[in-house]
Amino acid sequence: QLQLQESGPGLVKPSETLSLTCTVSGGSISSSSNYWGWIRQPPGKGLEWIGSIHYTGSAYYNPSLKSRVTISVDTSKNQFSLKVNSLTAADTAVYFCARGEWMILSDSWGQGTLVTVSS
Amino acid sequence: SSELTQDPGVSVALGQTVRITCQGDSLRGNYASWYQQKPGQAPVLVIYDNNNRPSGIPDRFSGSSSRNTASLTITGAQAEDEADYYCNSRDNSGYHWLFGGGTRLTVL
Repeated sequence: QLQLQESGPGLVKPSETLSLTCTVSGGSISSSSNYWGWIRQPPGKGLEWIGSIHYTGSAYYNPSLKSRVTISVDTSKNQFSLKVNSLTAADTAVYFCARGEWMILSDSWGQGTLVTVSS
Repeated sequence: SSELTQDPGVSVALGQTVRITCQGDSLRGNYASWYQQKPGQAPVLVIYDNNNRPSGIPDRFSGSSSRNTASLTITGAQAEDEADYYCNSRDNSGYHWLFGGGTRLTVL
């Protein structure tokens, strides 16, 4: 059974860069039909798509975040990663990693990890 | 348009039928998906491609779409269906994803 697990710091300072990794188990990140995405949810608010990547490296980003976000994939480790720079308090959120397809954003989600931006 | 609009809250009596709607221009040419999220949990896909249910999702959940509106219907709502529901579709570029603001369903 596919499992996704986010890892990374729970607390980051303003203006710094957030780095999160999603480790995929029970399936291959190199599946040609799958896209691997990041979605976030500020406390008490709705879901926001951050971006998605294919194992070939093709990546797509939310236009509102594109200037600050990079998503990469490491097929040798069956992992994909998220970097968000120039953090502010508005980036405080639960960050989810997810598996999807071209026409489905996600059919399987990680449990999510809370990231707080604070000095 | 780059927005999907949902009613913030809807209530339904136990065992009755409820429809949750999602409006947006992107729905005219793109499929809608629906996610259920309970407090403290990750979302769960309940409908994709407008009207398909993933395996394991009860058949009381159904979906439809017409023009710029997608709908999620729960026929015979159960107490465990109380949750937030989010619609989701591609935007008009076809490369980006949109979420609706979410609808909180209360089962009375």
